[in-house]
Amino acid sequence: DQQVKQNSPSLSVQEGRISILNCDYTNSMFDYFLWYKKYPAEGPTFLISISSIKDKNEDGRFTVFLNKSAKHLSLHIVPSQPGDSAVYFCAARAAYNTDKLIFGTGTRLQVFP
Amino acid sequence: DAGITQSPRYKITETGRQVTLMCHQTWSHSYMFWYRQDLGHGLRLIYYSAAADITDKGEVPDGYVVSRSKTENFPLTLESATRSQTSVYFCASRGPFRQTQYFGPGTRLLVL
Repeated sequence: DQQVKQNSPSLSVQEGRISILNCDYTNSMFDYFLWYKKYPAEGPTFLISISSIKDKNEDGRFTVFLNKSAKHLSLHIVPSQPGDSAVYFCAARAAYNTDKLIFGTGTRLQVFP
Repeated sequence: DAGITQSPRYKITETGRQVTLMCHQTWSHSYMFWYRQDLGHGLRLIYYSAAADITDKGEVPDGYVVSRSKTENFPLTLESATRSQTSVYFCASRGPFRQTQYFGPGTRLLVL
């Protein structure tokens, strides 16, 4: 039972445009969400996070939006750059078990010139 | 060097053999985690540890054993490797009051 879903396995965007990566979750007890970025042959690296008490968090070109009623979060990258080409994972933490994170299946983003 | 390291980076073994993957972190983080990454499954938690001598199962613990006698080390052992354990394994760590996990570079394991 996949509690965190990234339904788009891949996304292709032109350089300079907006990239929107989506993540859906099923557990209403999730209270903290993170996005990780992963390059080939490297470990994932933390990108941005958001608490369930907020609906938006921004860090430079990266913005995460949270829609709790829809159980949906999205990562916006503006403007997209070729160096953003990577696999992006969303992750969630449950309020009743803050020890661990549950990760989605990932979305491969390709930014082309 | 400071950070989180994994060894070996690549490993080929045969079905039935015992394999141990090593993870070492220099931050004195209390929490450590083992994940496997497989196509179509993303990152799945195998085992984690909240402190030395405290370990707990994740989503996919079967066939794996962990120990944590020292805070900085968290080895993962495949007692009798199977082909289904062919995967990329990531170790991660974090401090006690933060959610951000820091990942190692991964170990690519092939079981023949």
